[in-house]
Amino acid sequence: DAGVTQSPTHLIKTRGQQVTLRCSPISGHKSVSWYQQVLGQGPQFIFQYYEKEERGRGNFPDRFSARQFPNYSSELNVNALLLGDSALYLCASSLGEQSTDTQYFGPGTRLTVL
Amino acid sequence: GIQVEQSPPDLILQEGANSTLRCNFSDSVNNLQWFHQNPWGQLINLFYIPSGTKQNGRLSATTVATERYSLLYISSSQTTDSGVYFCAVVGYNFNKFYFGSGTKLNVKP
Repeated sequence: DAGVTQSPTHLIKTRGQQVTLRCSPISGHKSVSWYQQVLGQGPQFIFQYYEKEERGRGNFPDRFSARQFPNYSSELNVNALLLGDSALYLCASSLGEQSTDTQYFGPGTRLTVL
Repeated sequence: GIQVEQSPPDLILQEGANSTLRCNFSDSVNNLQWFHQNPWGQLINLFYIPSGTKQNGRLSATTVATERYSLLYISSSQTTDSGVYFCAVVGYNFNKFYFGSGTKLNVKP
């Protein structure tokens, strides 16, 4: 079975632009979470979606938004990009929304903001 | 939120050596996973271990939930074990992972 997939792999944007990152969960998984990992740190939680509804939000500004589609894939949008948004963005999927569910991560999208 | 501390932050080993990585967490957890992040950024699942002991080849892990810590053991290390090891936890009242800052392992041939 295919794992979690993310696109694009790499992205270069300039300050003020907008970006959309995409994630497809493992087949059968209904929950998708997004994380931001800046260099040298552990990933930080941004959003969780389950059955197309937002189930959790981390401490990120409103410039960050996400949505989940009927096929359980998800998009993360970031508006008005800042240099500090440069990071590896990771998507994780799990069967459900229970805290005991095992999370599986995709390969990430590396975003560079110039 | 839950505080997660990993130690040591950096570890250099000769190939064949054994090592122990530690993860301390500040509250009761419902989920604890160990990951290995490869040089390309992919987080590889190693163990789902909110309590007890598990082994997978040269790797094993133990979580003592009542004392709020977990240990990852790597035996007979290989150069391919190099990378960053993360511990991540989920609390009973939360639905998100809290990650530690990781242990960066460098195994030299």
